[in-house]
Amino acid sequence: DAKTTQPPSMDCAEGRAANLPCNHSTISGNEYVYWYRQIHSQGPQYIIHGLKNNETNEMASLIITEDRKSSTLILPHATLRDTAVYYCIVRFPNTGNQFYFGTGTSLTVIP
Amino acid sequence: GAVVSQHPSRVICKSGTSVKIECRSLDFQATTMFWYRQFPKQSLMLMATSNEGSKATYEQGVEKDKFLINHASLTLSTLTVTSAHPEDSSFYICSAREPGPGGTEAFFGQGTRLTVV
Repeated sequence: DAKTTQPPSMDCAEGRAANLPCNHSTISGNEYVYWYRQIHSQGPQYIIHGLKNNETNEMASLIITEDRKSSTLILPHATLRDTAVYYCIVRFPNTGNQFYFGTGTSLTVIP
Repeated sequence: GAVVSQHPSRVICKSGTSVKIECRSLDFQATTMFWYRQFPKQSLMLMATSNEGSKATYEQGVEKDKFLINHASLTLSTLTVTSAHPEDSSFYICSAREPGPGGTEAFFGQGTRLTVV
C-alpha cells in the first residue's frame, strides 16, 4: 500500500472549514483513499473514501487531485467535537483488507 | 454504518496473568477481523489478521504465542494476552469489514485499555 504524508498538527477556528491535506505521490491506479479519525481513547471512526472523483457525505468532503497524488479532507464547519487525529490511508481493495495507519494529523478546533 | 463492539473497554490485570478481549461484529458477518495495538501518542500498529476457521496471520515482530487469536465464528474474534507484563499495557483495537466488493470501509471497535500492574 502507498505511503502517505500528513502534517503532524493543525489548528482550526470553530465554525470555519478545516482543510486537511494528504500526499500520496506513489499511489497506484486502483488504490483508494480513505480518511478516518480517532478521538482520544476511542477506536477510529470512518469518515469518507474515494478513488478518483471528489466525494461528499454528511461528515465531510474529499477532494482528490486529478493526478491522484494528493487529497484534501474538508470539514465544512468545524466544531469542538471534531478535535481528533485524522488519518489518511491509501490501499488496494481486498488486499487482506488491512488498514495500515500512518502518524496522522492532530486537528485542534479552537473556540 | 456497521457496528463492531469490543469487551471489555477497560481492564486491569496482575503481571503474569492472561487477559481475553472480545471483538464482535453486531450486524454483519466478518470472515476477517484485525487486531491493532496503540501506545500513548503513537499511531495504530496492526498486530494480526484473524481469519474465521483458520489460523491468524501475525505481523512481523508480534509473538503469536503471547497474543493468541481465536476466530471461532463469523461474528466473534478474541485476543488473549498471555502472561501479561507491564510492557503489554496498551490500547487494543479490533476492526472488521463488511463482505463485498473492494473499496468498502472497515469499522473499528471502541478499543480496550489494558493496564498490567
